[in-house]
Amino acid sequence: EPEVTQTPSHQVTQMGQEVILRCVPISNHLYFYWYRQILGQKVEFLVSFYNNEISEKSEIFDDQFSVERPDGSNFTLKIRSTKLEDSAMYFCASRDRTSVNQPQHFGDGTRLSIL
Amino acid sequence: DQQVKQNSPSLSVQEGRISILNCDYTNSMFDYFLWYKKYPAEGPTFLISISSIKDKNEDGRFTVFLNKSAKHLSLHIVPSQPGDSAVYFCAASDEGAAGNKLTFGGGTRVLVKP
Repeated sequence: EPEVTQTPSHQVTQMGQEVILRCVPISNHLYFYWYRQILGQKVEFLVSFYNNEISEKSEIFDDQFSVERPDGSNFTLKIRSTKLEDSAMYFCASRDRTSVNQPQHFGDGTRLSIL
Repeated sequence: DQQVKQNSPSLSVQEGRISILNCDYTNSMFDYFLWYKKYPAEGPTFLISISSIKDKNEDGRFTVFLNKSAKHLSLHIVPSQPGDSAVYFCAASDEGAAGNKLTFGGGTRVLVKP
């Protein structure tokens, strides 16, 4: 069964450094998402992406965050200058929108630890 | 943000019995509801969903019920199996919105005892 893959599984970075989290969505999917889950808290939406542009972003997704689909397969989340509070699990998801009411499918996440 | 709420943080059930997980929402724009299952160190795995035009959807051992007037949905697992032990998340979206983002509940940890 096709799946969303994320790399790396764990990223440790010094505060203030840039980090790029990578995702390969399911190949025929058209909508892409990033979510994060801080330890002990809910899974929360960051950004959605369709047709090479952001569809919606949350308040969390400030100027330090950016997303890109650099080629036909990868979808990346960049944090320019990481803060301690960026430590979380980051999940990528993708969705087929050829019809309505399609579920989002998630990758296994990247654990981001900011020191 | 309490738009989707799962009031029971944990549930323990005997193998073979029914597990009932509950979820409440407040946003009347939500029209698509999903349940995800999550094991440690893995991402959420889609389980079952329901559109707001239905009140019940069934897939094998899993049934989701939707009560729109009460803004409440539930997931029934019958019979429960030890492999069902996981954290279950309820999620909702507004299919008419631009990004179709999911809003998640806080999760219910289910333990199925052999």
